[in-house]
Amino acid sequence: EPEVTQTPSHQVTQMGQEVILRCVPISNHLYFYWYRQILGQKVEFLVSFYNNEISEKSEIFDDQFSVERPDGSNFTLKIRSTKLEDSAMYFCASRLGLAYNEQFFGPGTRLTVL
Amino acid sequence: AQKVTQAQTEISVVEKEDVTLDCVYETRDTTYYLFWYKQPPSGELVFLIRRNSFDEQNEISGRYSWNFQKSTSSFNFTITASQVVDSAVYFCALSEPPNAGGTSYGKLTFGQGTILTVHP
Repeated sequence: EPEVTQTPSHQVTQMGQEVILRCVPISNHLYFYWYRQILGQKVEFLVSFYNNEISEKSEIFDDQFSVERPDGSNFTLKIRSTKLEDSAMYFCASRLGLAYNEQFFGPGTRLTVL
Repeated sequence: AQKVTQAQTEISVVEKEDVTLDCVYETRDTTYYLFWYKQPPSGELVFLIRRNSFDEQNEISGRYSWNFQKSTSSFNFTITASQVVDSAVYFCALSEPPNAGGTSYGKLTFGQGTILTVHP
C-alpha cells in the first residue's frame, strides 16, 4: 500500500541553524500539507501546497518557514533560523484530489532545537 | 473559524470496560468532514474514521463505534471492551472540503486530544 514517507525521523540542531525536513507524498496525490505538534499538545496546521504554490498558511507559518517541491516526488519544509520553540514533531500529509477527503499522514520528523 | 473541543484531557479505564471519548466542534460551513485519529506512543497518526456532515448515520467497526449528532455538534467515539493496545492519544479533527473555487484546501483542525490509558 502506498504511504507517505518522511526523513529524517529525528533531527537535532542548534538554535539559529537552518533545517530541511523532507517528505515524499504518495505519488499521484495533488495536495500536500505540513502540520506541527509541540510535545503534549494538539496537531496544528502549518501550510497547504497545491499546483506548485502555497494555497493556505497559518499564522505559525511566518517568514522563517518555506516549502518547496523541488522535483516530482519530494516536498520539503525549510526553517531558516531555528528557535527553541520550533522543537516539535512535524507531520507531512498528502491528499489525492478534491473529491477525496482523507489526508494520509507520514510518520513524522521529531525536531529538537538545542 | 473552525474549532474542535475535546474536553476530556485524560481517561483511565480497566481492560474490558467501555469508554467514550467526546468531541464537540464549531464551524460555519454547511458541508464539512469529521475525523478521528489515533496516536500511539510511537507517535504516528493513524486514521480511524471520516464522517461527512450530511451523513448522520452512526457507524460501527469492530469494537469501535461513532455517534454523530449534528444537532449538538458532537462526534463521539466509543471503544467497547477496551484493550491495553487501545492506550493512545485520540484526536478529533474537522475539515471543510477543498473546493474548485480555490477558497479551501481542506486543512484539518484538530482538538487537543484525549489521552486514553487502559490498565490490564
